[in-house]
Amino acid sequence: DVVMTQTPVSLSVAIGQPASISCKSSQSLVGTSGKTYLNWLLQRPGQSPKRLIYLVSKLDSGIPDRFSGSGSETDFTLKISRVEADDLGVYYCLQGTHFPYTFGAGTKLELK
Amino acid sequence: EVQLVESGGGLVQPGASLKLSCVASGFTFSDYWMSWVRQTPGKTMEWIGDIKYDGSYTNYAPSLKNRFTISRDNAKSTLYLQMSNVRSEDTATYYCTTTAFAYWGQGTLVTVSS
Repeated sequence: DVVMTQTPVSLSVAIGQPASISCKSSQSLVGTSGKTYLNWLLQRPGQSPKRLIYLVSKLDSGIPDRFSGSGSETDFTLKISRVEADDLGVYYCLQGTHFPYTFGAGTKLELK
Repeated sequence: EVQLVESGGGLVQPGASLKLSCVASGFTFSDYWMSWVRQTPGKTMEWIGDIKYDGSYTNYAPSLKNRFTISRDNAKSTLYLQMSNVRSEDTATYYCTTTAFAYWGQGTLVTVSS
């Protein structure tokens, strides 16, 4: 199985400050189609996960452009340019290239 | 608006069977692959498997393939997860999701305990 290693485990950020989360995969996530199926999800407290970003860098509808995704092959990053209170929760990376699909262990974003 | 509503969870004894359902609305269910994902009490996420839009093909996580079966009824816009011989480690919240994990249900909690 592809191992997804997320860092840091937790992140304490003040409102208005940037945040960055890393996700590294144990093998390349480039699929046979040439696409890279790397997603970022946010699970707010008491809620279901919600997809924010797909195909490494494409923002889902309604997701503010404070969020951005980047990376390639095995190394990916989620960045929040200015953290807001609504951004609190646990962020997961998820690869959808290789079966079985696998998740990172999560990064908890808290307010400083 | 896309809605996914899971049901069928609860307290179940080890070794028993359980069938979860997920009713979909707000999109053409029969056009999309669907997946099941579970989240343990410790918040670990695990993909269980998925099913092709017409129900003709399924993929499973190898560790669960022998005990879990995914099916669907497109006439009822409903996705199913049949769980058999459940174990304590199957205790989790079970979510159904659409293709590429774009939409998620609210989840249904399954607790395996005697």
